[in-house]
Amino acid sequence: DTAVSQTPKYLVTQMGNDKSIKCEQNLGHDTMYWYKQDSKKFLKIMFSYNNKELIINETVPNRFSPKSPDKAHLNLHINSLELGDSAVYFCASSQRGPGYNEQFFGPGTRLTVL
Amino acid sequence: GESVGLHLPTLSVQEGDNSIINCAYSNSASDYFIWYKQESGKGPQFIIDIRSNMDKRQGQRVTVLLNKTVKHLSLQIAATQPGDSAVYFCAENRIQGAQKLVFGQGTRLTINP
Repeated sequence: DTAVSQTPKYLVTQMGNDKSIKCEQNLGHDTMYWYKQDSKKFLKIMFSYNNKELIINETVPNRFSPKSPDKAHLNLHINSLELGDSAVYFCASSQRGPGYNEQFFGPGTRLTVL
Repeated sequence: GESVGLHLPTLSVQEGDNSIINCAYSNSASDYFIWYKQESGKGPQFIIDIRSNMDKRQGQRVTVLLNKTVKHLSLQIAATQPGDSAVYFCAENRIQGAQKLVFGQGTRLTINP
């Protein structure tokens, strides 16, 4: 069974469009994350949610809006897509703190903005 | 800040040899360090972690060393296998009220047959 799943795996779209990426985890975790990995493989956190509550927002443009309908899902909606949004987006989940708990990553969604 | 403009460091070793991947971290207040492995087309996968109150931790074929004095972390992989070929990331956790992983640049390890 897939622990953290994302759809779609690939997403190609035009500048200015609005798109969504979905993430689901079946690990029973309380915390979910979105990361962005650029073409240089640099991986940076964007958001984290703890039981549907926004915990971390790393100065991401407000064109990016995460939505957590329940603690097993964290979707990422992106408005007015720009060329610089092209990247691989990873969802992850972990048990809630305190302290550090291992984060499990999904397979990624490769977004290409033309 | 981001490592924009830098090429991904690479390391090539012969199959069966040992490899050492190095990482410098930035925040002396980080209290937890993790190594992740990312294979092509996949998400990062946990390998091993170490708390800041330790200097060394061993797993199966992997060892992590932590030098807090110079803020340096290393991952040693013993008897490398073709399946070890991947990009390896170190990450530091800055708790600050929430789990927040900060990833290093990554090193591409290639195992030559």
